[in-house]
Amino acid sequence: EAQVTQNPRYLITVTGKKLTVTCSQNMNHEYMSWYRQDPGLGLRQIYYSMNVEVTDKGDVPEGYKVSRKEKRNFPLILESPSPNQTSLYFCASSETPGQWSNEQFFGPGTRLTVL
Amino acid sequence: AQSVSQHNHHVILSEAASLELGCNYSYGGTVNLFWYVQYPGQHLQLLLKYFSGDPLVKGIKGFEAEFIKSKFSFNLRKPSVQWSDTAEYFCAVNTNAGKSTFGDGTTLTVKP
Repeated sequence: EAQVTQNPRYLITVTGKKLTVTCSQNMNHEYMSWYRQDPGLGLRQIYYSMNVEVTDKGDVPEGYKVSRKEKRNFPLILESPSPNQTSLYFCASSETPGQWSNEQFFGPGTRLTVL
Repeated sequence: AQSVSQHNHHVILSEAASLELGCNYSYGGTVNLFWYVQYPGQHLQLLLKYFSGDPLVKGIKGFEAEFIKSKFSFNLRKPSVQWSDTAEYFCAVNTNAGKSTFGDGTTLTVKP
């Protein structure tokens, strides 16, 4: 089944404790992206990757890191989480932007709480 | 910088009423336009998209949207809503460079 998976689905942590949220897709998509969803703010793009070893900042990259060493994986790293990073995080993937089939497929979400 | 504006934050309708959700975007270049839906407790799913060609696009579940380039708009419509359409709806813009911008979302509540 074509899908985007994220782990963990739920995470409660404390300020300053490094964490990684994994994202994997099995559709051989070149493009992957991370979003955070907050009430009243919709989805805001954190980072995106057009291909392996190519990453770019979205609208809200501060406090986050990403890497794209393999096509299928795109982990989101919070080196020193803070309470304002409490949010619902979605990973998404698509074929190359600009092509007809470039709608994004979303993972199930990771609900992160930073105390 | 690109931006997306959704005019209605919360819409309440009765079943069989017609729906129109507004979406305007700002970007000077070529864009692809999308409407996604998020049912309660689920992740986002594509409703429809505009890439090129006919500005009136049809999606799943009877939804359609019209791209009006001169107005930078991509409004979502459905002639007759059902209770199962209760969800949050997001308009989104993608550029060929990979940047993706979503609107703040519109929560639709359909009363049976």
